[in-house]
Amino acid sequence: KQEVTQIPAALSVPEGENLVLNCSFTDSAIYNLQWFRQDPGKGLTSLLLIQSSQREQTSGRLNASLDKSSGRSTLYIAASQPGDSATYLCAVGGDYGQNFVFGPGTRLSVLP
Amino acid sequence: NAGVTQTPKFQVLKTGQSMTLQCAQDMNHNSMYWYRQDPGMGLRLIYYSASEGTTDKGEVPNGYNVSRLNKREFSLRLESAAPSQTSVYFCASSWSGGGWGQPQHFGDGTRLSIL
Repeated sequence: KQEVTQIPAALSVPEGENLVLNCSFTDSAIYNLQWFRQDPGKGLTSLLLIQSSQREQTSGRLNASLDKSSGRSTLYIAASQPGDSATYLCAVGGDYGQNFVFGPGTRLSVLP
Repeated sequence: NAGVTQTPKFQVLKTGQSMTLQCAQDMNHNSMYWYRQDPGMGLRLIYYSASEGTTDKGEVPNGYNVSRLNKREFSLRLESAAPSQTSVYFCASSWSGGGWGQPQHFGDGTRLSIL
């Protein structure tokens, strides 16, 4: 059974710092991996999706990498802003991307 | 763009009551999903529908039924609600095809309390 963990559980940084969020999964036979952002009381917003054959994806200040063999993904946020404060979740897709297993999330606070 | 719309947003039920959570998407996606989110447990997949006319169990299907009414709508039914089903329920959709997974789009959730 696929298990997904995220470290750290919570992170507080001053504005302007670059930071890395980590996601680990136990079964490397994945179809894809997706990073989401969740604001309090809201649904999830997709940030980046990496197919199993890809090594990384970039969108603006965000960069996600994938190392299937080691069961790890990282989300790099450059020049963090208070508006980046949210919970970040990774989800690993199996079964042709249909059956996603989510990590518990990292709660990020960016202080002005 | 409405995206994924869930109704109701909030609901309080008594143990043993039944109800249906509604979900509709206007993005012409073929795949739809139901998740529940609980503190300390993360999101867990209840059921999904890869395409119109098909449904499959996820990690935690017990106590739930689903109906893929048409391409746009995917409903989740609790036949006899139990306190353990108190949770936030999210519906999501994605386009799946061509051998590539696509991003999932989520609704804002239904906050359900079972007394």
